[in-house]
Amino acid sequence: DIVLTQSPDSLAVSLGERATINCKSSRNVLFGSNSKSNLAWYQQKPGQPPKLLVYWASTRESGVPDRFTGGGSGTDFTLTISSLQPEDVAVYYCQQYFSPSVSFGGGTRVEIK
Amino acid sequence: QVQLVQSGAEVKKPGSSVKVSCKASGGPFSNYVFNWVRQAPGQGLEWMGGIIPIFGTKNYAQRFQGRVTISAATSSSTVYMELSSLTSEDTAVYFCASSLYNGYDSPDPFDIWGQGTMVTVSS
Repeated sequence: DIVLTQSPDSLAVSLGERATINCKSSRNVLFGSNSKSNLAWYQQKPGQPPKLLVYWASTRESGVPDRFTGGGSGTDFTLTISSLQPEDVAVYYCQQYFSPSVSFGGGTRVEIK
Repeated sequence: QVQLVQSGAEVKKPGSSVKVSCKASGGPFSNYVFNWVRQAPGQGLEWMGGIIPIFGTKNYAQRFQGRVTISAATSSSTVYMELSSLTSEDTAVYFCASSLYNGYDSPDPFDIWGQGTMVTVSS
């Protein structure tokens, strides 16, 4: 099974500042037919289901603010929030969908400093 | 776009089974792949398995093999997840999540989620 390791477990960032979350995969999740990585990012707020933010490692889901940017390829990925807003306080998860047995990272809690 | 509505909260005894439903509406049921993801209190997301109703193809996470059964009723556009031999460790919110079927064994990311069903296992 593919293991995703997120870091840090939590981070506190001042409003308007940048937050960066890392996700490392135990296997290359680059999909051969389109040369894109099968890696997604989700945001989850308390009491809500997760919300898809980014897929193919860097494609923003419709309606997601452009302050959210996904990057990376192969085994190393990042999610960057360029200017943290109060509504961005949440837990963020990466997910690989390269394997039929999908898996999630352990999550990163983002708070306001 | 399809919407997912799950069944209500459950309280179960250790050793028993629970069956959670997820009804899809607003889109062609056969075009979608459905997955189950659970979240224990204060913990992260854990994929349990998925089903492609149009083919009946199922895929389960290894740690749940033999204990989980995912099924689909196309006549009612409903997907089910049954978990047996419950212990307190199975206390969690169970989510149904879906994506359009892409023709591959691996699903697309989950862009549609149900509201979640709380399952509490307690004696």
